[in-house]
Amino acid sequence: DIQMTQSPPSLSASVGDRVTITCQASQGISNLVNWYQQKPGRAPQVLIYTASNLRTGVPSRFSGGGSGTDFTFTISSLQPEDAATYYCQQHENLPYTFGQGTKLEIK
Amino acid sequence: EVQLVESGGGLVQSGGSLRLSCAASGFTFSRFNMNWFRQAPGKGLEWVSYIISSGTYIAYADSVKGRFTASRDNGKNSLYLQMDSLRAEDTAVYYCARGATGSWGQGTRVTVSS
Repeated sequence: DIQMTQSPPSLSASVGDRVTITCQASQGISNLVNWYQQKPGRAPQVLIYTASNLRTGVPSRFSGGGSGTDFTFTISSLQPEDAATYYCQQHENLPYTFGQGTKLEIK
Repeated sequence: EVQLVESGGGLVQSGGSLRLSCAASGFTFSRFNMNWFRQAPGKGLEWVSYIISSGTYIAYADSVKGRFTASRDNGKNSLYLQMDSLRAEDTAVYYCARGATGSWGQGTRVTVSS
C-alpha cells in the first residue's frame, strides 16, 4: 500500500496568512493526488484534484502542486471560513490512501 | 447538479448485517466508477470499496474483504454496500463518492454495538 505522510498535523494561523500543508507519498504516484476540506459534522469536499486542478467553484486562494512523491497544498490568504481539517489522498493505486489530516485553526 | 444520497445506516449488534444504499442523480451514473469510504468517530478517512462502471470489477480494503459486498444497479442509478459480520471497528460514517476525484454524499452513520 502507498503511505501518505502529511504534515503538520495541526496549525494555527491568522486571517490573511499564507498556509502550506505538505504530503509525501511512499512511492511515486505521478500527479494523482486530491486535497479535501472537511468541516465538523460535514462530508469531505474535494478542493484540488490531480495535484493542481482547482475544482469548479472553489476560491482561487486554494492551490496545489507537486508530482512524484512530494505534494503541497496552499491557502494564499487565509479566511475565517477556512477553519477545517484538510486531507491529501492518492488515487494512483488501490487501496486509495489518505494522509493523517491537518487541523487548521484560525487565531 | 451531482447528488449522492446515502441511506440504510443505523445501530446493529456485533455480528449483524446492514445494507447501505447510495442514490445518484445529476449525472450519467452508468459511466462512472464509484467508491465507498468511511470515517470512524474522531478518526481519518478510509477507503472501503471500488466498483467500476459496469460492475464487473470490485475491490475491497483488507479490513472488510470477505464481509462486505459492493454492487450497483445502473438502471436504478444506485450503489449498494452489503455489510455482514459487522464488528465494533466498523462503526463509522459511510460515504459514497463518484470516481476518484468527484463528489461525495453526505454520509450515513453505522454504529455496531458489542
